[in-house]
Amino acid sequence: RKEVEQDPGPFNVPEGATVAFNCTYSNSASQSFFWYRQDCRKEPKLLMSVYSSGNEDGRFTAQLNRASQYISLLIRDSKLSDSATYLCVGPGYNQGGKLIFGQGTELSVKP
Amino acid sequence: NAGVTQTPKFQVLKTGQSMTLQCAQDMNHNSMYWYRQDPGMGLRLIYYSASEGTTDKGEVPNGYNVSRLNKREFSLRLESAAPSQTSVYFCASSVTTGLNEKLFFGSGTQLSVL
Repeated sequence: RKEVEQDPGPFNVPEGATVAFNCTYSNSASQSFFWYRQDCRKEPKLLMSVYSSGNEDGRFTAQLNRASQYISLLIRDSKLSDSATYLCVGPGYNQGGKLIFGQGTELSVKP
Repeated sequence: NAGVTQTPKFQVLKTGQSMTLQCAQDMNHNSMYWYRQDPGMGLRLIYYSASEGTTDKGEVPNGYNVSRLNKREFSLRLESAAPSQTSVYFCASSVTTGLNEKLFFGSGTQLSVL
């Protein structure tokens, strides 16, 4: 099992929809996670950090569920410009806690 | 500020050839990283450098060497390229290797090994 795992999608949603992605992790000691956004194989850019109970930034909400070992990203009122790949990042126990990327979830928002 | 600069952007090699990917950052960051990205695999850490003069292996170090030349520069070398090393390579930097640190990425190098 991968240390950080995501559903690769693609998620195809209409503009205005609400969409949620989940990411599961293996390192039960992990306390901090991140969501990065990547456009068309360009460099990833930090979208949100996720600590303790969660984080909200405008239309984006990230939450951490320690009991079930997953984090989620919720996007409300989807825009065409939200189309991208979303990468979940967390500490890996096989790499001395170094950050491990999930394989990414592709989102396509249609008019 | 340019941020993180990688060269070259594209490269085609024949099996067995060698090459060095260059990376430089102008943000005075202590930590630098090399990742590779393959379809369906996300980004995998090849090597990282917590500070000038130190380097450590990541998830997939085999077939690569690195050199932290100074605080600004972190190069990745392929001594004898193999088709399995065809990938997109990203360099990144952060202030430290702390788990709360934001990673800043270069624009990537698309490498094809024939």
